[in-house]
Amino acid sequence: QQPVQSPQAVILREGEDAVINCSSSKALYSVHWYRQKHGEAPVFLMILLKGGEQKGHEKISASFNEKKQQSSLYLTASQLSYSGTYFCGTENDIMGDMRFGAGTRLTVKP
Amino acid sequence: DAGVIQSPRHEVTEMGQEVTLRCKLISGHNSLFWYRQTMMRGLELLIYFNNNVPIDDSGMPEDRFSAKMPNASFSTLKIQPSEPRDSAVYFCATGLAGVNEQFFGPGTRLTVL
Repeated sequence: QQPVQSPQAVILREGEDAVINCSSSKALYSVHWYRQKHGEAPVFLMILLKGGEQKGHEKISASFNEKKQQSSLYLTASQLSYSGTYFCGTENDIMGDMRFGAGTRLTVKP
Repeated sequence: DAGVIQSPRHEVTEMGQEVTLRCKLISGHNSLFWYRQTMMRGLELLIYFNNNVPIDDSGMPEDRFSAKMPNASFSTLKIQPSEPRDSAVYFCATGLAGVNEQFFGPGTRLTVL
């Protein structure tokens, strides 16, 4: 079942922060975050496994709330290079059957 | 190391023709995923394999679509006959079963006229 992402789109000025949310109606085993730039393939950012952990990647971090079946991606002090569409992918078990959300289009302006 | 290799990168064909998309896995990877991306439907999982075995093909749109892994490093996605609504970017992604990070190929942009 496809996870739900919000917001659909966000526009930022360089240096501003953003939060992208991902929620599922089913229990989650893992949440993946990918970024896709126009005309390119999605690129892996991070994975969060069942356990409520938080991860970070430079100024991009994410949390996973197992009970609420939600994950959030935090982008702080955004840079122009952060522009793109962010997808969350969710798995309900270890078998690797991942479903992607519809994506959040992030635009960072100077 | 070479990443995931897909061919062709672009394909333009006429309705009714057979189309074959190809994917070469990263060496050592044993999971293979085929996705289709369109503006309307987003990124859809079509089928995935673990160790050459199809695990879930529930995303394959209809019998016109078929996917195979003739060996551990190569996969094909075939559409026969093709229809205009099949126009999309098709990605394959590979990974290590159990680790779950997926590495995407550059995609094949398919246009069916």
